[in-house]
Amino acid sequence: QVQLQESGPGLVKPSQTLSLTCIVSNGSISSGGYYWSWIRQPAGKGLEWIGRIYASGTTNYNPSLKSRVTISVDTWKNQFSLKLTSVTAADTAVYYCAREGIHDLNYDFWGQGILVTVSS
Amino acid sequence: DIQMTQSPSSLSASVGDRVTITCRASQSISSYLNWYQQKPGKAPKLLIYVATTLQSGVPSRVSGSGSGTEFTLTISSLQPEDFATYYCQQSYSFPWTFGQGTKVEIK
Repeated sequence: QVQLQESGPGLVKPSQTLSLTCIVSNGSISSGGYYWSWIRQPAGKGLEWIGRIYASGTTNYNPSLKSRVTISVDTWKNQFSLKLTSVTAADTAVYYCAREGIHDLNYDFWGQGILVTVSS
Repeated sequence: DIQMTQSPSSLSASVGDRVTITCRASQSISSYLNWYQQKPGKAPKLLIYVATTLQSGVPSRVSGSGSGTEFTLTISSLQPEDFATYYCQQSYSFPWTFGQGTKVEIK
């Protein structure tokens, strides 16, 4: 079955850019049929949708983060990425990548999550 | 943004109990409502999608109902592995939003 794995720095300094990558295995991003999403969860809190991308490169972002977020896809490497600029302590969270079906619009597969701490 | 409000925020129950969690949307979302279970340190797991459809592999003691603005997740006979936090999520209108979560604890 499909597997997703987040990778990237666990510590980012304030005002810098958070960069994460999600590698997809046992499934091809380019085959279509799914959006590829980023969701985050501050410690002890709920889930926040960051945004998603389709294989074509079409994106949707949460307006609350849109000015700082870029999601990109590399179909050759079968991975997609998140960049969040000008981070503050409020961006400290576990970041998940997940697969969303284009018809059912639910997250059926998730990565294990990666904790990113924003601190100097 | 569509606000999703879950109730209760937490509950204590015993093995074998029937448990119901409610999720209310701030406006109609038709049936575009998903339910997830999350255990500590783990990613959420999809339980129910489009309000009533059981995800493959999820036990039949779990069910979902509702449409419009009010939805429920029911576990007919709580098992030890069901103690977790449950989230609803709407996929009707951007940005997708989640409820604040309902923690189900052992009584």
